[in-house]
Amino acid sequence: GESVGLHLPTLSVQEGDNSIINCAYSNSASDYFIWYKQESGKGPQFIIDIRSNMDKRQGQRVTVLLNKTVKHLSLQIAATQPGDSAVYFCAENIGDGGSQGNLIFGKGTKLSVKP
Amino acid sequence: DAGVTQSPTHLIKTRGQHVTLRCSPISGHKSVSWYQQVLGQGPQFIFQYYEKEERGRGNFPDRFSARQFPNYSSELNVNALLLGDSALYLCASSSVRAVAYEQYFGPGTRLTVT
Repeated sequence: GESVGLHLPTLSVQEGDNSIINCAYSNSASDYFIWYKQESGKGPQFIIDIRSNMDKRQGQRVTVLLNKTVKHLSLQIAATQPGDSAVYFCAENIGDGGSQGNLIFGKGTKLSVKP
Repeated sequence: DAGVTQSPTHLIKTRGQHVTLRCSPISGHKSVSWYQQVLGQGPQFIFQYYEKEERGRGNFPDRFSARQFPNYSSELNVNALLLGDSALYLCASSSVRAVAYEQYFGPGTRLTVT
């Protein structure tokens, strides 16, 4: 499939290590944030979300941290696996818990996992 | 259960032509959104339709239009194609009006304008 990761910032990690992907969002009024994973030739896949009234949320092997003071979002992946190799996008939404029709995506980070 | 499907998978058009892209949402989903993803960038919101009505529109020219049918499938139409319209066009469906969450993306249609 055609790569979506051309000219993107790249993070290269060793299999088994933890990965941290960062994202700076644009609008202080954004109240809902999502991380997506996009593999080559596929559409974005939901990973985890967080509302603006939280600063941390954990899922299976993933943790999202939100720092509203500096408008920064991060995705931590524990024990990174080769299957985690993909482009990761953060997205923000302005509105009542995601009720608005506009998701704003960041530029993306390409995660490359070395076996 | 089938996910979001889009057709065609790939498409090559010439400048000035028009194109119609199609999307079938997950069964039971009433909201469909369209995004444009230029190579190397994140998706950009184009339209959202819920219950056959336009509920949101992104910053795209009037050459872009869409509609949703009674069975909740959707079409995206682009007229007077420009080279810059070359992109991956993604469709996403949701069971609720709120598009930000519970949103499932299809594999996209790769449009190349020459």
